[in-house]
Amino acid sequence: AQKITQTQPGMFVQEKEAVTLDCTYDTSDPSYGLFWYKQPSSGEMIFLIYQGSYDQQNATEGRYSLNFQKARKSANLVISASQLGDSAMYFCAMREGHQAGTALIFGKGTTLSVSS
Amino acid sequence: GAVVSQHPSWVICKSGTSVKIECRSLDFQATTMFWYRQFPKQSLMLMATSNEGSKATYEQGVEKDKFLINHASLTLSTLTVTSAHPEDSSFYICSARKGLGNTGELFFGEGSRLTVL
Repeated sequence: AQKITQTQPGMFVQEKEAVTLDCTYDTSDPSYGLFWYKQPSSGEMIFLIYQGSYDQQNATEGRYSLNFQKARKSANLVISASQLGDSAMYFCAMREGHQAGTALIFGKGTTLSVSS
Repeated sequence: GAVVSQHPSWVICKSGTSVKIECRSLDFQATTMFWYRQFPKQSLMLMATSNEGSKATYEQGVEKDKFLINHASLTLSTLTVTSAHPEDSSFYICSARKGLGNTGELFFGEGSRLTVL
């Protein structure tokens, strides 16, 4: 079974609109972390936001917020007021447990295209 | 913030040659580094976990003899693609963990694009 599922291969949005990128996860570990990264065409991985499994509140970072619904095992990324520079591939990722040597497992990604 | 640097960013080589990619943590010590591989428009697939001073832990399906990983110091891990073939052409990305615990302190290198002719 896939650990991280991103069901939207591509999303299209106009400037200044909000967009939600879906992510569901699968784990039996009570301690885990959820991440969102942005990858522009240059290839670099840009960290956007992090949500810990024990965090009571949804994480927010500027225009990015994470809609964390633990019972549904979903961690959707919401980008408010989209900008042209937001066009990129977005990856949801999870780290299980709290050991330092645990790697991130990535979803397949969603390509976001923002138009003017 | 912390920086992880990869070198080279681009490499083109002939089939049959070996290529070494370096991953350096520039301002912190990383006991653990991770190597990922990414094909165009696809996800990052974990290849191996590199531990300073010990053997790397490879993911299932990744050939240890093909992708040699060495983590000789707390700031450097290297990935060597041995006897490269065109199917090894890919984008290779490393990441390094700063500190301990389940936090967001994970940093990625800029990636290395390998093309094997």
